[in-house]
Amino acid sequence: LAKTTQPISMDSYEGQEVNITCSHNNIATNDYITWYQQFPSQGPRFIIQGYKTKVTNEVASLFIPADRKSSTLSLPRVSLSDTAVYYCLVGGFGNTGKLIFGQGTTLQVKP
Amino acid sequence: DVKVTQSSRYLVKRTGEKVFLECVQDMDHENMFWYRQDPGLGLRLIYFSYDVKMKEKGDIPEGYSVSREKKERFSLILESASTNQTSMYLCASSLGLRGSNQPQHFGDGTRLSIL
Repeated sequence: LAKTTQPISMDSYEGQEVNITCSHNNIATNDYITWYQQFPSQGPRFIIQGYKTKVTNEVASLFIPADRKSSTLSLPRVSLSDTAVYYCLVGGFGNTGKLIFGQGTTLQVKP
Repeated sequence: DVKVTQSSRYLVKRTGEKVFLECVQDMDHENMFWYRQDPGLGLRLIYFSYDVKMKEKGDIPEGYSVSREKKERFSLILESASTNQTSMYLCASSLGLRGSNQPQHFGDGTRLSIL
């Protein structure tokens, strides 16, 4: 099973770019990498998903190196409202039949 | 927008009771999931279902069972509630056949307290 490792917490300031890295050394060939954002008292919200190289949408970018053993979520110009917990998820059924969430990274954005 | 609705935001039950947590999704998704979330432990998968009447164990199925009689509804059952099952319970759904990698859409959770 592909376990993931993320930093427990990160601090940033408004307007800065934030990069959160997730390690997943045992990722399987057919596993995708998905990131979620969670605010207090709410369910996680899907941010971005990728398989390899780089994916970009209106809120974030996801960088995945060739070996796929890690991935980096990049949030451009964060604001106070980006203060949340960010989860890295590896897997999507495939042969393992299980989905693995990381422990989450608490991002605190300061004014 | 996908809507995943959990029947209760807050629930208080007593030790030994049989507890039902209900989840309904409105997007005709094949897959549904139940997680629990505890401080310091992140989200942990309890059970999931990829089709009506089908279920598979997640990482922590002990003390729980599930039911999926209709595609849109996935129920989590605590057979005999215990205090260590006090937690936030999250339901999710996703599109696609088993083996797909579609993102999951979550409800807002049920905070369950067992006294």
